[in-house]
Amino acid sequence: EAQVTQNPRYLITVTGKKLTVTCSQNMNHEYMSWYRQDPGLGLRQIYYSMNVEVTDKGDVPEGYKVSRKEKRNFPLILESPSPNQTSLYFCASSPLPLGRGFFGPGTRLTVL
Amino acid sequence: KQEVTQIPAALSVPEGENLVLNCSFTDSAIYNLQWFRQDPGKGLTSLLLIQSSQREQTSGRLNASLDKSSGRSTLYIAASQPGDSATYLCAVIMRFNKFYFGSGTKLNVKP
Repeated sequence: EAQVTQNPRYLITVTGKKLTVTCSQNMNHEYMSWYRQDPGLGLRQIYYSMNVEVTDKGDVPEGYKVSRKEKRNFPLILESPSPNQTSLYFCASSPLPLGRGFFGPGTRLTVL
Repeated sequence: KQEVTQIPAALSVPEGENLVLNCSFTDSAIYNLQWFRQDPGKGLTSLLLIQSSQREQTSGRLNASLDKSSGRSTLYIAASQPGDSATYLCAVIMRFNKFYFGSGTKLNVKP
């Protein structure tokens, strides 16, 4: 089954404790991206990647890092999480040229 | 910077009605536009994708149109059903493959 998986689905952590949210897709898509969804602000793009070792900033990259060492994986790293990073995070993938997006189920992150 | 607006923010209709959801964007230099559905507690599901050179796309009871010059897209849902209840999101994709989403229209179809 074609899918994008994210782990963990739920995470509660404390300020400053480094964390990684994993994302994996099984469709051999070149394009992968991360979004955060906040009430009243909608979905905003954090980072995206056009292929292995090619990443670029979206609209809200501050406080986040990503890496793309393998085509199927695109982890999101928060080196020093802060409460304003409490949000619902989605990973997505698409073929290139950009086609329909496939989204993961989301990761709800709470930073205390 | 691209701004995407969706109107209305919420909509409640009786089953069987035809309805239109609206999406507008400020920068017409888009690569394509996608409509997504989001169910509570779940990710997004892509419904329709319209390339910038196209005027409309259809899938079953759904029809999406695009008027790039005026910065507007509409999603038409025919003969709505309770199972259509969800939040519908419009996303425009710009050059360099950046996505911009609207805040969505929350649809409730009453039996």
